[in-house]
Amino acid sequence: AQSVAQPEDQVNVAEGNPLTVKCTYSVSGNPYLFWYVQYPNRGLQFLLKYITGDNLVKGSYGFEAEFNKSQTSFHLKKPSALVSDSALYFCAVRDTGAGSYQLTFGKGTKLSVIP
Amino acid sequence: GAGVSQSPSNKVTEKGKDVELRCDPISGHTALYWYRQSLGQGLEFLIYFQGNSAPDKSGLPSDRFSAERTGGSVSTLTIQRTQQEDSAVYLCASSSGAWGNQPQHFGDGTRLSIL
Repeated sequence: AQSVAQPEDQVNVAEGNPLTVKCTYSVSGNPYLFWYVQYPNRGLQFLLKYITGDNLVKGSYGFEAEFNKSQTSFHLKKPSALVSDSALYFCAVRDTGAGSYQLTFGKGTKLSVIP
Repeated sequence: GAGVSQSPSNKVTEKGKDVELRCDPISGHTALYWYRQSLGQGLEFLIYFQGNSAPDKSGLPSDRFSAERTGGSVSTLTIQRTQQEDSAVYLCASSSGAWGNQPQHFGDGTRLSIL
């Protein structure tokens, strides 16, 4: 079965500092990995995905993530945090070996960027 | 509009009543998903439609929940005999492609409150 873990419920970072939001996953086959962001009272917005190819993936709003197969991780990063990055971030995985098109989402990490 | 549209945005109803939630996906998207998001929780998969294929209903929590998608476009999620534990935000998403490698585009959800 596919699963994803976001070990931190909340991450606080000062504006201008680099940020990292952690994600680890478990699959039987190869993973498709996604990051989404959710602002209050809104749906989720797609940030970036890893399907195949380069392990470093660049996405919207200056975010990037690195796929690490040996550590089964897909951490989200940004070199310089903005106050407007404060939101709820979700990592999601689909197991290509599972015969299902379902995405499994983590429980989310609340990012607070402090001015 | 170009995005996924959900209606109503808020719904308050009494325990035991039936409710219908509507989702208009992005035009041309063949895949449509319903999720449930409870406070402090991640997204719980409910049901997945892909083109004319039989839907994946494996996430529906009970037989009080059902969904249909007419003409490969608009979808309706119906909850019969609502219970207080059904209170949550119900999110709809659509995506292009049939292989689960394309990002899902989310609506802003329907916030359902059962009194």
